[in-house]
Amino acid sequence: RKEVEQDPGPFNVPEGATVAFNCTYSNSASQSFFWYRQDCRKEPKLLMSVYSSGNEDGRFTAQLNRASQYISLLIRDSKLSDSATYLCVVNMDSSYKLIFGSGTRLLVRP
Amino acid sequence: DVKVTQSSRYLVKRTGEKVFLECVQDMDHENMFWYRQDPGLGLRLIYFSYDVKMKEKGDIPEGYSVSREKKERFSLILESASTNQTSMYLCASGTSGGDEQFFGPGTRLTVL
Repeated sequence: RKEVEQDPGPFNVPEGATVAFNCTYSNSASQSFFWYRQDCRKEPKLLMSVYSSGNEDGRFTAQLNRASQYISLLIRDSKLSDSATYLCVVNMDSSYKLIFGSGTRLLVRP
Repeated sequence: DVKVTQSSRYLVKRTGEKVFLECVQDMDHENMFWYRQDPGLGLRLIYFSYDVKMKEKGDIPEGYSVSREKKERFSLILESASTNQTSMYLCASGTSGGDEQFFGPGTRLTVL
């Protein structure tokens, strides 16, 4: 079983739609959680951290469910520019080592 | 802004060649990392360094070595390139206490 699992997609949605991605992780002792965004042929960049209380940044909302060991990312009012691959990232043991999921691809169409 | 630069965006080498990939960061970060990214497999950690001359193996170190002689520079070395090392190589840096990693633009290496 992979340490961090994501649905690879692609999720193909119209502009203005709401879309949600889930990610599951295997280590219940995991400490920190993140969503990174990677545009085609570009490097990954931090989108947002995920806190136990959940957090929101504009149209983006991230939530953590420790009991079920999953994190989610909700994107409201999708824009064409949201088209990218979204990487779920977990720090499992408070070290500097991050575990990356293989990503969920989002395509937003006009 | 944090800047991580990599020496080449695209590289084509032949089997058996020795390959050097260079990475430089300008934010005085303690930690530096080398990953490779392949379709369906995500980012996999090859090596990381938490200080000058210090290194630790990641998940897939076989066939690679690294060098960190200065804090800002972290080099990945393929001693004898093989076709299965064709991949996108990403360098990243981060602080010792932080979780965020900042990535360079990547080097797409093709080994023929």
